[in-house]
Amino acid sequence: AQSVAQPEDQVNVAEGNPLTVKCTYSVSGNPYLFWYVQYPNRGLQFLLKYITGDNLVKGSYGFEAEFNKSQTSFHLKKPSALVSDSALYFCAGRASGGYQKVTFGTGTKLQVIP
Amino acid sequence: NAGVTQTPKFQVLKTGQSMTLQCAQDMNHEYMSWYRQDPGMGLRLIHYSVGAGITDQGEVPNGYNVSRSTTEDFPLRLLSAAPSQTSVYFCASSYGRRGYLSYNSPLHFGNGTRLTVT
Repeated sequence: AQSVAQPEDQVNVAEGNPLTVKCTYSVSGNPYLFWYVQYPNRGLQFLLKYITGDNLVKGSYGFEAEFNKSQTSFHLKKPSALVSDSALYFCAGRASGGYQKVTFGTGTKLQVIP
Repeated sequence: NAGVTQTPKFQVLKTGQSMTLQCAQDMNHEYMSWYRQDPGMGLRLIHYSVGAGITDQGEVPNGYNVSRSTTEDFPLRLLSAAPSQTSVYFCASSYGRRGYLSYNSPLHFGNGTRLTVT
C-alpha cells in the first residue's frame, strides 16, 4: 500500500519570500516521488522527481525539493516566490516493485501575495 | 506533438445516461490512466492500463468501465451516470515497457473533462 499526504490546504507567502509546500509519504520499499503543478482549467504539469540519490532535487521554474528519508518527507521549496507561482500543487508517489499505481496527495493551493 | 488529448471538454448528463470520455496520446506510451479530481480529495485513480489489452482497477472503479484496444486510445465509459460522478476527469500517460510503468517517468496529463450529472 502507499499514501501521500499534504497537510496544508493552502499556503500564503509574500512575493520574494521563500516558499515551502509540505508532503509526507508512506510507501513500501524505495519511494519514487513527484511534484506536479496545476493552473486553473488545465491538466497537471510535471515539476520534478526523486528517484534515488541526491536528497535535494532541482526542477522546473526554479523549484527544488528536499527528500528526507527519516521524516518520510518530500517538501517543495523555492528561494524567492513569484506571483505567477500561484497555483495548485500536488505531491505524488509510488512504490518500487511491481506496483503500477501512482498515488496523489490532496493538493495545496499556493497563493503568492504581491 | 499534441501529447494527451481529451474530449469532450465539458459534458452535462442526466442520471442514468451513459457516455464515453475519450483519451488519445501520440507519444507511444504504454501506460495510461484515468483520474477524477474532486475538491479536498485530490486525484483518485479510477482505472489504468499498462499496454493494449491490459487494464486494472484503481481506487474508485465502480460505475466506470475501460478497455485498451490500441496503444494510443484509452476511453472511459460511464455505464449509468449518477450525481456522485460529477467531477473533473483527467487522463494521463507515461513511458514504460509493456506491462510496466517506468519508475522515473512522470505522468503526462490531458486538460480534463468537466462532467456534471443532474
